[in-house]
Amino acid sequence: GAGVSQTPSNKVTEKGKYVELRCDPISGHTALYWYRQSLGQGPEFLIYFQGTGAADDSGLPNDRFFAVRPEGSVSTLKIQRTERGDSAMYLCASSRGMNTEAFFGQGTRLTVV
Amino acid sequence: AQSVTQLDSQVPVFEEAPVELRCNYSSSVSVYLFWYVQYPNQGLQLLLKYLSGSTLVKGINGFEAEFNKSQTSFHLRKPSVHISDTAEYFCAVSEGSGGSNYKLTFGKGTLLTVNP
Repeated sequence: GAGVSQTPSNKVTEKGKYVELRCDPISGHTALYWYRQSLGQGPEFLIYFQGTGAADDSGLPNDRFFAVRPEGSVSTLKIQRTERGDSAMYLCASSRGMNTEAFFGQGTRLTVV
Repeated sequence: AQSVTQLDSQVPVFEEAPVELRCNYSSSVSVYLFWYVQYPNQGLQLLLKYLSGSTLVKGINGFEAEFNKSQTSFHLRKPSVHISDTAEYFCAVSEGSGGSNYKLTFGKGTLLTVNP
């Protein structure tokens, strides 16, 4: 596609449920990033991938959060036992390499009720 | 650890007026600096970046920013704003020493509102 695609655009889930958020990067981009943006805040880094491997997952807040990128393209952010505090916009970005411009998707707005 | 402070949460201006959005950072190592814009219901778009070289950086849509190492600042300026510049603006920093340049620490954002 022309840009980074994130699905769904909106997700409402009940507290305690499991959710998956999907990111389709720009074709050919090897680096992929996940950020979380809470209301009224700037985005916070969660994890980034170079190819299939997580190069840096230091931003994941706890072990309920996990992300995969099995074939080096699409990535899925997985959140177990969701809590109301997980409600936020989840942003994905991709870049041709680790040190080239990262392009952001429009995000998935997650609401935990 | 690095941090970014955007001194103004909201900046209202009239159309065709100049604007400056302020950003200060703290870091124990050399940094790369970025400004992003976020229009309503859209993703982040890179306005400009400082990696090295000239401290005055020009970006898209007529914006520019100046890196001031002694004051640890990277203020964003535009000499004449348009209604269409109304958006949220984020300053961001990365350590740039190993790892990815785009592992970013963002400020809380400044909402620029341009009034007719």
